Amino acid sequence: EAQVTQNPRYLITVTGKKLTVTCSQNMNHEYMSWYRQDPGLGLRQIYYSMNVEVTDKGDVPEGYKVSRKEKRNFPLILESPSPNQTSLYFCASSSSGSSGTGELFFGEGSRLTVL
Amino acid sequence: GDSVTQMEGPVTLSEEAFLTINCTYTATGYPSLFWYVQYPGEGLQLLLKATKADDKGSNKGFEATYRKETTSFHLEKGSVQVSDSAVYFCALSGNAGGTSYGKLTFGQGTILTVHP
Repeated sequence: EAQVTQNPRYLITVTGKKLTVTCSQNMNHEYMSWYRQDPGLGLRQIYYSMNVEVTDKGDVPEGYKVSRKEKRNFPLILESPSPNQTSLYFCASSSSGSSGTGELFFGEGSRLTVL
Repeated sequence: GDSVTQMEGPVTLSEEAFLTINCTYTATGYPSLFWYVQYPGEGLQLLLKATKADDKGSNKGFEATYRKETTSFHLEKGSVQVSDSAVYFCALSGNAGGTSYGKLTFGQGTILTVHP
């Protein structure tokens, strides 16, 4: 089954304690991205990756890091989480380039609470 | 830059009522347009899409027509059901030079609640 898998689905942590949210896709997609969803703000892009070893900032990258060492994986790293990073996070992937229409496939989301 | 504006919510309807959720956009080039739906506790799922002007996307009784002249992509359904209760997001994908590069710009989402 084609899917995007995120872990953990739920996490409560404390300020400053490093954490990683993993994301894996099995569709051989080149493009992967992280979004955060906040009430009244819709989804905002954090980081994206066009392919292995190619990453770039989205609209709200501050406080986050990413890496893309393998095509299927795109972890999101919070080196020193703060309460304003409490949010619902989504990983997504897409087949980019002229063969795609830009449709994104989403994971089920990771709800993070930073105390 | 690209932007998407959706009608303010929440929207509350009775079962079998007609639904319209307005969406307008600002973009350069020829974007693809999407409606995504998010059911409670789940991720976003593609509901329908349109890739060029005058295209009509449709799925599960929902429809939306890509109107380039009014830069709109309004979502409609003739008769909603309780199971349609969800958050609906309008989105666009930049399509500069005919190459889609994957980033979606989302509207703020519209919460729909349908009562029996």
